[in-house]
Amino acid sequence: DTEVTQTPKHLVMGMTNKKSLKCEQHMGHRAMYWYKQKAKKPPELMFVYSYEKLSINESVPSRFSPECPNSSLLNLHLHALQPEDSALYLCASSPEGQTIYFGEGSWLTVV
Amino acid sequence: DQQVKQNSPSLSVQEGRISILNCDYTNSMFDYFLWYKKYPAEGPTFLISISSIKDKNEDGRFTVFLNKSAKHLSLHIVPSQPGDSAVYFCAASPKTSYDKVIFGPGTSLSVIP
Repeated sequence: DTEVTQTPKHLVMGMTNKKSLKCEQHMGHRAMYWYKQKAKKPPELMFVYSYEKLSINESVPSRFSPECPNSSLLNLHLHALQPEDSALYLCASSPEGQTIYFGEGSWLTVV
Repeated sequence: DQQVKQNSPSLSVQEGRISILNCDYTNSMFDYFLWYKKYPAEGPTFLISISSIKDKNEDGRFTVFLNKSAKHLSLHIVPSQPGDSAVYFCAASPKTSYDKVIFGPGTSLSVIP
């Protein structure tokens, strides 16, 4: 079972709104990831948490704020986004840091 | 600076024939390689992987070949089926940070019935 669950599936938010994307896995994986994917582009790594600690931040703007409340949950807090931040946001997890397993993604539209 | 390259944006193959998807990389620190398949409006699905200590890994219809000296890998799908039509991403991670999985731009495969 390699299920990673993301909510919401679709989110529309204004540029002054604050919203959050949520991700959950119950496979005991030690690492969790946020990726961003624009149309016809590859997934781009944003953040990695390893054992609930932020281990990689790929110079992501501070309007994106990750949070890992426990080993099963990963949030991405969104504030003051721009229309160009509209994309598919993918959460993933990995047991050992090599093979990563993705969720279905959350489609974000910033208006 | 693209570290993982997939130079064919698209590929069409007849059902039942072999599909060969190619990938090149530039970072000699890459140590672990993966292939993912993605349907529209879904997250990428892991297909197969290979460590740099091997030159071939096989899983059912899918085989990945790695040529370290050429910094080249390929995914072979045989026989190809219409359900294989999707975008295929090559990905790699360095031995210094296996968490840092970097994706290529993808190849869109169409399998024609």
